[in-house]
Amino acid sequence: GESVGLHLPTLSVQEGDNSIINCAYSNSASDYFIWYKQESGKGPQFIIDIRSNMDKRQGQRVTVLLNKTVKHLSLQIAATQPGDSAVYFCAEKENTGGFKTIFGAGTRLFVKA
Amino acid sequence: GAVVSQHPSRVICKSGTSVKIECRSLDFQATTMFWYRQFPKQSLMLMATSNEGSKATYEQGVEKDKFLINHASLTLSTLTVTSAHPEDSSFYICSARDLQGATREKLFFGSGTQLSVL
Repeated sequence: GESVGLHLPTLSVQEGDNSIINCAYSNSASDYFIWYKQESGKGPQFIIDIRSNMDKRQGQRVTVLLNKTVKHLSLQIAATQPGDSAVYFCAEKENTGGFKTIFGAGTRLFVKA
Repeated sequence: GAVVSQHPSRVICKSGTSVKIECRSLDFQATTMFWYRQFPKQSLMLMATSNEGSKATYEQGVEKDKFLINHASLTLSTLTVTSAHPEDSSFYICSARDLQGATREKLFFGSGTQLSVL
C-alpha cells in the first residue's frame, strides 16, 4: 500500500560506526526493492537494489538484506561518514500492471563527528 | 547513469494561478514517467503515472483536473498544477525508467520542484 504521512524516525550514529536502517514493505507480490538516499531539497539518489530472488546484496560500504518471510528490508552502511547524513527510503516495485514504485516511510540518519 | 532533468527547481506563485513543471529524460527515452509529491519530513507519495501518447493514470485521491499531466514525447512529461492553492505547496518530483538500461526497473529521479503558493 501507499506510505502513510508519518514523521520520519531518526537514527543517530557516531562517525566510523556501522548503521542499520530498517524498513517494512507492504506488498508480498513486489519483486524488486531499492534503497534511496535523499538530501534536503533534492530528488532521491539510488544506493542499492535487490531482486526478490535474493536475500543479500553488497555494494561499496552498503549491504541490503531482504527477508521475504516477514517483508523486511534493511540497509547496512559500514564505517558511516558525515556525508551519509540524509533521509533514507526503501521502495518496492509492484509486480503488477503499471509497475509502480512505492516508497516506505523513510529514516533520517544523523552522523555525529 | 540515466539523467532526468526537472525544471523549475523552485517556484512561488499566487493563489489561483497555474504552474507548469517539466520533466525531461536527457539521454534516454521514457515511455513512462512517474510524478511524486512530498510534504516536509514525509515520504514520497505517488501521484500519477505519465504515459507517452496516452492519458495519465492517477492514484486514488489525486484530482485529475487539478494536476494535469501531458506526456507528448518520449523525453518530456509536464505536470500542471491548476488554480493552485496554499495546500498545493509541496515538493514535486518526477522519475523515469530507462528500459534500455542495465536495470530496467531502476527509477531515476529529477531534482524536484519546490512549489510555494501564497
